Amino acid sequence: KAGVTQTPRYLIKTRGQQVTLSCSPISGHRSVSWYQQTPGQGLQFLFEYFSETQRNKGNFPGRFSGRQFSNSRSEMNVSTLELGDSALYLCASSPMTGLVETQYFGPGTRLLVL
Amino acid sequence: AQSVAQPEDQVNVAEGNPLTVKCTYSVSGNPYLFWYVQYPNRGLQFLLKYITGDNLVKGSYGFEAEFNKSQTSFHLKKPSALVSDSALYFCAVRDTGGGNKLTFGTGTQLKVEL
Repeated sequence: KAGVTQTPRYLIKTRGQQVTLSCSPISGHRSVSWYQQTPGQGLQFLFEYFSETQRNKGNFPGRFSGRQFSNSRSEMNVSTLELGDSALYLCASSPMTGLVETQYFGPGTRLLVL
Repeated sequence: AQSVAQPEDQVNVAEGNPLTVKCTYSVSGNPYLFWYVQYPNRGLQFLLKYITGDNLVKGSYGFEAEFNKSQTSFHLKKPSALVSDSALYFCAVRDTGGGNKLTFGTGTQLKVEL
């Protein structure tokens, strides 16, 4: 099976712009989660989607949003970008067939805000 | 709220020697614990997880982890380190509130030297 794919892999934006990142989960996986990784804050949970519904949300401002489509693909959007949004954004998917699922991560999208 | 701590920012070990990367956790309820590894400019790769049962969990690439309930620890181990094991290692705990939210430790940089 192909792994989790994320597009684009690299992105440069300027402050005030908005950005949309895409994640395609492993085939058959229904849960998609997003994480932000920065040197200062480490790995932080953004949100999780399951069956097109947001199931969990981390402590991020409303500028961060996401959605999931019927084919389980997910997008996250960041509006009004700030310099501090520069980070590696990781997407993870899991099948949701058992009690404690393993999440499989994609390679990430590296966002640089200038 | 659950949390994990990785007390060592960096661990140095000689190739062929055993390695240990430490992790302690704090959860209310059953702990569901994970280890992931990250190579430069890559996403996270799953190594192993503890759900219940045997305290010694075997994972990928020869890694194993020892769950110790009384010490609330979940240390990652490998009997014989390889230079190729040099990477950033993360311990994580799953949220007890349901869903797939993971709370990660700050990471431990493992350096294996010849």
